[in-house]
Formats: sequence, structure tokens, C-alpha cells
Amino acid sequence: GENVEQHPSTLSVQEGDSAVIKCTYSDSASNYFPWYKQELGKGPQLIIDIRSNVGEKKDQRIAVTLNKTAKHFSLHITETQPEDSAVYFCAPLGAGTYKYIFGTGTRLKVLA
Amino acid sequence: GAVVSQHPSWVICKSGTSVKIECRSLDFQATTMFWYRQFPKQSLMLMATSNEGSKATYEQGVEKDKFLINHASLTLSTLTVTSAHPEDSSFYICSAAGVSVGTGELFFGEGSRLTVL
Repeated sequence: GENVEQHPSTLSVQEGDSAVIKCTYSDSASNYFPWYKQELGKGPQLIIDIRSNVGEKKDQRIAVTLNKTAKHFSLHITETQPEDSAVYFCAPLGAGTYKYIFGTGTRLKVLA
Repeated sequence: GAVVSQHPSWVICKSGTSVKIECRSLDFQATTMFWYRQFPKQSLMLMATSNEGSKATYEQGVEKDKFLINHASLTLSTLTVTSAHPEDSSFYICSAAGVSVGTGELFFGEGSRLTVL
């Protein structure tokens, strides 16, 4: 089955700095690459996604880059703010399925 | 974006009782719903996939007789934890994929925290 790993597992940055989280997956058929943010006691919320025909996508302070050859994609957050503190999950999706396999998660802490 | 509502958001029950959690898609029809379980500081683990009008497909290691899933309509799926025990205490999260959405995006409920005494 799909093996999904995230690095780092925890990340602390100073407010205003950038944060990068990497997701490595094993299924070469994956074609949809979302990132979810989960705040304490809540369900995950989609923050950005990318499809296999695009290499990079940006939405204000958040960006996702995809390297299909190497089978990894990364979440980039610039100008981090305390409210960015949360757990972030990647969940690459294979073609023709809605069966998401969530990554191991990255706990981001933005220090004021 | 589409809204998925879960109820209750938290529940405490005695060991041996059954608990039902509801998952509703409020503004779209969800042909497929997913149930996840999340233990503290861990990732989401897929328990089962349910399609409207058919039996749920359970992941390996998930007891179908213990975690009963019903997806009777395009807007409602329920998870019943039968004869709950303390080890069933967890955060249960549902998600839905819509017919009209078609983007691959999943919409998540807010989760239901179950504590079994």
C-alpha cells in the first residue's frame, strides 16, 4: 500500500520566518496532492492542493511544490504567524480513488 | 466550500454501551463518506469507506461488527461503536466526497471525541 512520510515531525520557527514541510510518498500513480491543517480538537481543513500536471502552486503566504519524479511534495509557509501553529498533514491520492492515506503529520509551532 | 457536520462533538459513555456518531453533508450530496480514527498526537487512520446504499468497506484490522457504519442517504452516514470499551476512546472524524465536487477534495467534519469510562 501507499507509504507516506513527512519531515520534520516537529518544527519551531520564529514569527515572520518561513517553514517548509516535506511529504514523501510511494505510489507513483498518485495524482492529487493536498495539504491539510488541523487545529487542536478540530477536523482537518484543506489549505492548498496541487495536481500532477502542475509543479508549483501559490496562495498568498502558502505554496506547494511537487516533484513527481522523486515522489515528494512540499508545503511552504512564508511570513509565519502564531495562528499558523497547528499540525499539518499531507494526503496524496491515487488515480481513480478517494482513499486518502494521511502522512505522519508535522507539528508546527510559530514563536511570537 | 462544502460543509460537513458531525454530531455529537464529544461524548462520554460507560463501558459496554453503544454510541452513535452522525456525519452529514449539509450543502452537497456525498456519494462516498470516510470514517477516520485519530489517537492523541497521531495521524488519521482510515477505518472504513461507505458508499450510499451499499455496505461499507472496512480497512484491515477494523472490526466491522464493532464499528457499524450506515450510509442510508446521500447526506448522512452514521458510525456506531458497539459495546464500547476504554480502548475505543479516540477522536473520530468523518469526511465526504461529493458527486458534484469532482475535484478529489475531501471535506471533513469537526470530529467527535469519544471517551469511554
